[in-house]
Amino acid sequence: AQSVTQPDIHITVSEGASLELRCNYSYGATPYLFWYVQSPGQGLQLLLKYFSGDTLVQGIKGFEAEFKRSQSSFNLRKPSVHWSDAAEYFCAVGAKYSGGSNYKLTFGKGTLLTVNP
Amino acid sequence: KAGVTQTPRYLIKTRGQQVTLSCSPISGHRSVSWYQQTPGQGLQFLFEYFSETQRNKGNFPGRFSGRQFSNSRSEMNVSTLELGDSALYLCASSLVRVADSTDTQYFGPGTRLTVL
Repeated sequence: AQSVTQPDIHITVSEGASLELRCNYSYGATPYLFWYVQSPGQGLQLLLKYFSGDTLVQGIKGFEAEFKRSQSSFNLRKPSVHWSDAAEYFCAVGAKYSGGSNYKLTFGKGTLLTVNP
Repeated sequence: KAGVTQTPRYLIKTRGQQVTLSCSPISGHRSVSWYQQTPGQGLQFLFEYFSETQRNKGNFPGRFSGRQFSNSRSEMNVSTLELGDSALYLCASSLVRVADSTDTQYFGPGTRLTVL
């Protein structure tokens, strides 16, 4: 079964600083990888996704993520953080099973990002 | 195009009661999935509906059920509520079955259920 680990529960950065949120996954094959962001009281918004191809993926709001198969990682990065980026970030892994007739999306526990002015 | 809408946004119930939550997917989307989000367990998949049929189910007791209507709107029902059912319930829609295309799922704002 697949699993997702986000090692950092809470990260604090200063506005304008760079950001990297870590995500490690466990799955036997190449998974489908996602990063979602959740603002307080809101649902999840998709930042970016990786299915195949170029391992560096560009997303919305200036975010990017890099898939590293050798490290089973899909870390999220942003070169300069804005105060509006304060939110909770979730990494998710999608995988097909039962011969491809079913699909499961597994989320990490999330990383809460605080941005200091 | 309007996003996924969920009603009500907030609910307070007492133990033993039942509750019904509603989700309207993005126009044209035929798959609706439900997730439970709690501080302890995080985000967990409940079930997916497509063409009015449950296509996939997570590891939740039978007290959790759902249905989908011909217009793709979906309802989730929880019977005999327990304190541990307090959570944010999120609905997500996609064009087709996620297993068929891994199409992006779009999430609604959720319904916050509090069980007293």
